[in-house]
Amino acid sequence: GAGVSQSPSNKVTEKGKDVELRCDPISGHTALYWYRQSLGQGLEFLIYFQGNSAPDKSGLPSDRFSAERTGGSVSTLTIQRTQQEDSAVYLCASSLATARPEDEQYFGPGTRLTVT
Amino acid sequence: AQSVAQPEDQVNVAEGNPLTVKCTYSVSGNPYLFWYVQYPNRGLQFLLKYITGDNLVKGSYGFEAEFNKSQTSFHLKKPSALVSDSALYFCAVRAPTGGGNKLTFGTGTQLKVEL
Repeated sequence: GAGVSQSPSNKVTEKGKDVELRCDPISGHTALYWYRQSLGQGLEFLIYFQGNSAPDKSGLPSDRFSAERTGGSVSTLTIQRTQQEDSAVYLCASSLATARPEDEQYFGPGTRLTVT
Repeated sequence: AQSVAQPEDQVNVAEGNPLTVKCTYSVSGNPYLFWYVQYPNRGLQFLLKYITGDNLVKGSYGFEAEFNKSQTSFHLKKPSALVSDSALYFCAVRAPTGGGNKLTFGTGTQLKVEL
């Protein structure tokens, strides 16, 4: 079946502009995660959605970052007033409906964001 | 707080030789441990996980990992490396309770397998 998809695959934006990154999780997966992969810094957790529960936003680096998930499926990560340090690959992942801690996460191909 | 350390930024190995990619972790309680692989310009692919039971876990593409509780390690191994195994490998940990469902990743180890 289809995996996690993300769009756009690449995004170049000017400093100060807002950007929206989209994630389509695997059908039936109720848990959805956003991570950021910066050069030389590994993967950094940003935010986690599970069903209708309040999202875990503990990883968002500043109030310029926000995310929403509509209808329990598609998610959008929004970065306002982008800064050069926001340049990174943004990865989305989803996991099984039960979202147990032992369930593996399935990752999308990522969106490479470059802020000039 | 949970954390993962991958002490080697890069590991080089000749094709046909065994390979080991090291990982140590810190977490409260019994850990859930994962290995992921990332090929260039691709997302992460799940390789294997340790939840409970046998300390030796077998995964995709002939990889295995050994959980060692006393050394808090979860090293990735493969008996005979292939050039196609060259990629970036990430170890990750998740606490069984608390800490949310997020994965905490190491900084990654670049594996290079040469002919």
